[in-house]
Amino acid sequence: GNSVTQMEGPVTLSEEAFLTINCTYTATGYPSLFWYVQYPGEGLQLLLKATKADDKGSNKGFEATYRKETTSFHLEKGSVQVSDSAVYFCALMVRGSTLGRLYFGRGTQLTVWP
Amino acid sequence: GAGVSQSPSNKVTEKGKDVELRCDPISGHTALYWYRQSLGQGLEFLIYFQGNSAPDKSGLPSDRFSAERTGGSVSTLTIQRTQQEDSAVYLCASSSAQETQYFGPGTRLLVL
Repeated sequence: GNSVTQMEGPVTLSEEAFLTINCTYTATGYPSLFWYVQYPGEGLQLLLKATKADDKGSNKGFEATYRKETTSFHLEKGSVQVSDSAVYFCALMVRGSTLGRLYFGRGTQLTVWP
Repeated sequence: GAGVSQSPSNKVTEKGKDVELRCDPISGHTALYWYRQSLGQGLEFLIYFQGNSAPDKSGLPSDRFSAERTGGSVSTLTIQRTQQEDSAVYLCASSSAQETQYFGPGTRLLVL
């Protein structure tokens, strides 16, 4: 089946620290991969995406590389800011399916302290 | 342009009452999705619409839940005889032809 596994949170970091949030997946077809972010009190926003192997998605200093050989899509940022405090969700969509629903991980709460 | 909108933003109801949640997708988006976000279950898929038809209803948790979409645009999610376990944030998303899904702000439902 299709599923996403994210590292358990919460993650607490000091400002300017390096961030990694691990994400691995299983998929019945060839998936597109996404990271969504939910800031406090707000809805889900797309952070970045990648649609094929070895693609790197990037946005707001965050990056994630689609690794087909390890079925992973880890999120990284070199220097986090207090404003990055949010919940991060890894997700996949199986392309070619007529359905297009997203499969989400459980989310990882990130708190950044000044 | 306008994003996905949902109403109401918050709803408090008594156990056993029916509720209707509304979603207005981005104009021109043919696909519409409902998800539910709760503390214990994370983000769960409920139902998918392509146009006015619903080819995937597999995520609806019980027959108390139903949804419709009219005119290929607005969708309504109805929960009959609400239970306390229905308390959650109900999220709507829309997309164009299996491209990126854009989410609305959600409806926070509390069943007392």
